[in-house]
Amino acid sequence: DTEVTQTPKHLVMGMTNKKSLKCEQHMGHRAMYWYKQKAKKPPELMFVYSYEKLSINESVPSRFSPECPNSSLLNLHLHALQPEDSALYLCASSQVRDQPQHFGDGTRLSIL
Amino acid sequence: QQPVQSPQAVILREGEDAVINCSSSKALYSVHWYRQKHGEAPVFLMILLKGGEQKGHDKISASFNEKKQQSSLYLTASQLSYSGTYFCGTEWGKTSYDKVIFGPGTSLSVIP
Repeated sequence: DTEVTQTPKHLVMGMTNKKSLKCEQHMGHRAMYWYKQKAKKPPELMFVYSYEKLSINESVPSRFSPECPNSSLLNLHLHALQPEDSALYLCASSQVRDQPQHFGDGTRLSIL
Repeated sequence: QQPVQSPQAVILREGEDAVINCSSSKALYSVHWYRQKHGEAPVFLMILLKGGEQKGHDKISASFNEKKQQSSLYLTASQLSYSGTYFCGTEWGKTSYDKVIFGPGTSLSVIP
C-alpha cells in the first residue's frame, strides 16, 4: 500500500470526453507532482505544485489542466486527449527539497 | 537534459554484485535513486546531495562524484527482490527546485 492514493486506477476515454484524475496524500507534504510514464520509459515530469501553487509546467499541452484545491489534493483534468496520451499517470509528493518523492500507484489511461 | 545511465540492462545471479552509473552533462545539485518493479510505482532508495557523503542502507549504497557529475549505485550480494528497473533522477540547482529529471533506467534481473 502506498501513502499517495490515486483514483481511478484505470480509465478508458474517448477523444472528446472530459475526465479527471485525482491524487491525495495525508503526509503533510508541501510539494506534489504529476508524471507521465510510457511503457519501458522513465517517468516524465509534467507539473509541480509547491505550497498549492503551480511552480513548474513542463510545456504540457493545454488539454491537460492541473489543479491543487488544497495541500492534500491534486487533480489532473483531461479534455480532448489524443491516442498518444495513453500512458500511466503518476502522482508523487515530497516534504521539502532533498527529500524522497512518494509515488502513488498511478492511473493507467487509455484513449480510444 | 536527461541524465545518462549505464548499463541499460544487467542480469545477475543471486549473491552477485552490480554497479549502475548515472551521469550528467550539467552540474548536479542532487541525485535521487528509485527502483520500479513491473506494474508498480517507483520506490525511493536514496538521495545524494552535492557535497554529501556516500550513503547506503542494507546492501545498497551510492556515491556522488561532483567532479565527474556522476553517481553510482552499488548493489552487493544481490537478492531476487532486487529485480526491477532502477532510475536515477537529477536536480541541477537553485533555478530548478523540485525539478527531478529521470534517466532512461537500468533493467536489473536477478536469477536463482
